[in-house]
Amino acid sequence: EVQLVQSGAEVKKPGESLKISCQGSGSSFSNYYIAWVRQMPGKRLEWMGIIYPGDSDTRYNPSFQGQVTISADKSITTAYVQWSSLKASDTAMYYCARLIGYCTSPSCPSYFDFWGQGTLVTVSS
Amino acid sequence: QSVLTQPPSVSGAPGQRVTISCTGSSSNFGAGYDVHWYQQLPGTAPKLLLFGNSNRPSGVPDRFSGSKSGTSASLAITGLQAEDEADYYCQSYDSSLSGWVFGGGTKLTVL
Repeated sequence: EVQLVQSGAEVKKPGESLKISCQGSGSSFSNYYIAWVRQMPGKRLEWMGIIYPGDSDTRYNPSFQGQVTISADKSITTAYVQWSSLKASDTAMYYCARLIGYCTSPSCPSYFDFWGQGTLVTVSS
Repeated sequence: QSVLTQPPSVSGAPGQRVTISCTGSSSNFGAGYDVHWYQQLPGTAPKLLLFGNSNRPSGVPDRFSGSKSGTSASLAITGLQAEDEADYYCQSYDSSLSGWVFGGGTKLTVL
């Protein structure tokens, strides 16, 4: 079974930088898109962006474009999301998840089948 | 405001049947995109519950079923159990937003 293991909780101050990680198991890591999903306290899930570790092809949700940078290192089957200057509003739980069916056609179901355990990011002065 | 709309909460007694609705639009369900459902137990990550409108991943009990018609979808849970108490989210792809969208989530309380 696929496992996605995320880095631990972080407490940061506004303006600080941060990079959190998501390590996948199995040789198929590079063959699927990995998504980052934000869940603010008591709020819905929001996709932030996706990356294909095989060639680092990346797409961002316009709401997150310019706010975060998503990257991957296929040699260690790990995906990352980073912030250069955190804000209090970045306080949230962040999940990585494997995307099945990266496609824009209705004939191609597109969903997230395996999820990491989540990384809680708290930004407070 | 979510692109997919769910009721904030539903409840039912053990053994009963409950349904959770998910209303979309012409750019997601109405355009033919499937609905997928996730279960999020308290303090844990979301878990895929149903994919492709009504398909269960291995290990998901057949008490969980789903359907989609037009711009609406629903999740049904029969034989409600205390362990089903969780938040449930619907998800699809939206062609207008060119991305994946989630419902606002529904909290299921087992009375």
